[in-house]
Amino acid sequence: AQKVTQAQTEISVVEKEDVTLDCVYETRDTTYYLFWYKQPPSGELVFLIRRNSFDEQNEISGRYSWNFQKSTSSFNFTITASQVVDSAVYFCALSGLTGGYQKVTFGTGTKLQVIP
Amino acid sequence: GAVVSQHPSRVICKSGTSVKIECRSLDFQATTMFWYRQFPKKSLMLMATSNEGSKATYEQGVEKDKFLINHASLTLSTLTVTSAHPEDSSFYICSARHPPSSGRPQETQYFGPGTRLLVL
Repeated sequence: AQKVTQAQTEISVVEKEDVTLDCVYETRDTTYYLFWYKQPPSGELVFLIRRNSFDEQNEISGRYSWNFQKSTSSFNFTITASQVVDSAVYFCALSGLTGGYQKVTFGTGTKLQVIP
Repeated sequence: GAVVSQHPSRVICKSGTSVKIECRSLDFQATTMFWYRQFPKKSLMLMATSNEGSKATYEQGVEKDKFLINHASLTLSTLTVTSAHPEDSSFYICSARHPPSSGRPQETQYFGPGTRLLVL
């Protein structure tokens, strides 16, 4: 069974502050992929990152960075110098090798509000 | 790229009518597509896996007679909500992935923009 937990339901920050969105996962697979998606008010899911279970290197893309730690089963997402355009719901997701990656399990999402 | 479109983006219908939602992979062929449902302020829940040329596989608790899925070609899957009722109002999102024969990564699903259904 797969499970993704995003304990933070809603976060509000003031523009230019840094913010970290937490994601904790459970899976019995040793091979799996983790994802982060952004869902703005329009509803479309915007793909942000994919990380496989064998690659624990942290990744930085502009103001976005991701911290993957298998020891704590966490895949946290940090936005540096937040902007109003970052306001959205962010989903962490997991897809395991069992079942051929058919099933993507999503967390419940964290709603981020960046206040100008 | 891997672009997935959905049509319509928004639909309002009367209770008792049927609504068809189309999901198309625009620049790749997809033997497998997926249908998700998202209630307001909730997560995405997988409803069914749509396989080209065969019957869809439904998740537990999803009524297959209520949500008819047809995947007649490698680029099109349709979801028909039959005899829609207000409780069927939701945001429906489809996704698609490259076929195994493509040699492309199987773990990544490409999502459509979603269809917002409101049943009055």
